[in-house]
Amino acid sequence: SAVISQKPSRDICQRGTSLTIQCQVDSQVTMMFWYRQQPGQSLTLIATANQGSEATYESGFVIDKFPISRPNLTFSTLTVSNMSPEDSSIYLCSVGPQGTNTEAFFGQGTRLTVV
Amino acid sequence: RKEVEQDPGPFNVPEGATVAFNCTYSNSASQSFFWYRQDCRKEPKLLMSVYSSGNEDGRFTAQLNRASQYISLLIRDSKLSDSATYLCVVRVSGSARQLTFGSGTQLTVLP
Repeated sequence: SAVISQKPSRDICQRGTSLTIQCQVDSQVTMMFWYRQQPGQSLTLIATANQGSEATYESGFVIDKFPISRPNLTFSTLTVSNMSPEDSSIYLCSVGPQGTNTEAFFGQGTRLTVV
Repeated sequence: RKEVEQDPGPFNVPEGATVAFNCTYSNSASQSFFWYRQDCRKEPKLLMSVYSSGNEDGRFTAQLNRASQYISLLIRDSKLSDSATYLCVVRVSGSARQLTFGSGTQLTVLP
C-alpha cells in the first residue's frame, strides 16, 4: 500500500492568486496523478506527473494554468494559477496502479474555494 | 457519450435491503474493473476489484459482462455504514491515463 500526505487540506483564496498543493508519498513511485473533483461530480484527470520529464496533460487542462513539479519519486506539486471561482473544487493526488498491485491510492484531497 | 456511465442515483434504502448498482463502459480495450467507495468529504478507496468470473466479498458481489460491457455491484443486508458514493472505475489496457471514473452513485441507508 501507499500512504499519501496531501496539503493543504483546504483553502479559501482570492481570485487572481495561485495556490500550490503538495503531495508526499511514503514510497517511491513512477507516476503520480492529479485529479479534480467538482461538487457532485466524479474525478477528472488533470495530468500525469513523471519524475524527470514534463507532465502529460489531459484535454482541457494546460500547463500554464496547472503547472506541476515532480522533483523526485516521492513528491509532487500542483499549482492552480490565476484562480477564478470556476476553479473551486477538490483536488486529489494519486499513485498507482503499479505492477501487479491494481489498487490506486489517494491523498486526502484539497478543498479549494475561490472568492 | 461518457466512457464510464453509472446509475444516476441517489439510492435511499432501508437497513437490511439489497441494492444493486449498474455501470457500463464504452472502451472495449478496457482491461481492469473496480468499485471504489468515497465517503463524504473523503478520498476514494478501493472497495473491490471486479473479475470476469464474478467475485464476492462478504455482503458485496461484483459481476462483469465483457460482451455487454457492463459491471454491477450488489450489496446485501445494507448497513448504515454502507452510506457513501460508489464509483465504477475502469482501466484501459496500455493507457497511461490509468483509470477512468464513473460519476458515482450515492447510497443512503436509512434506519
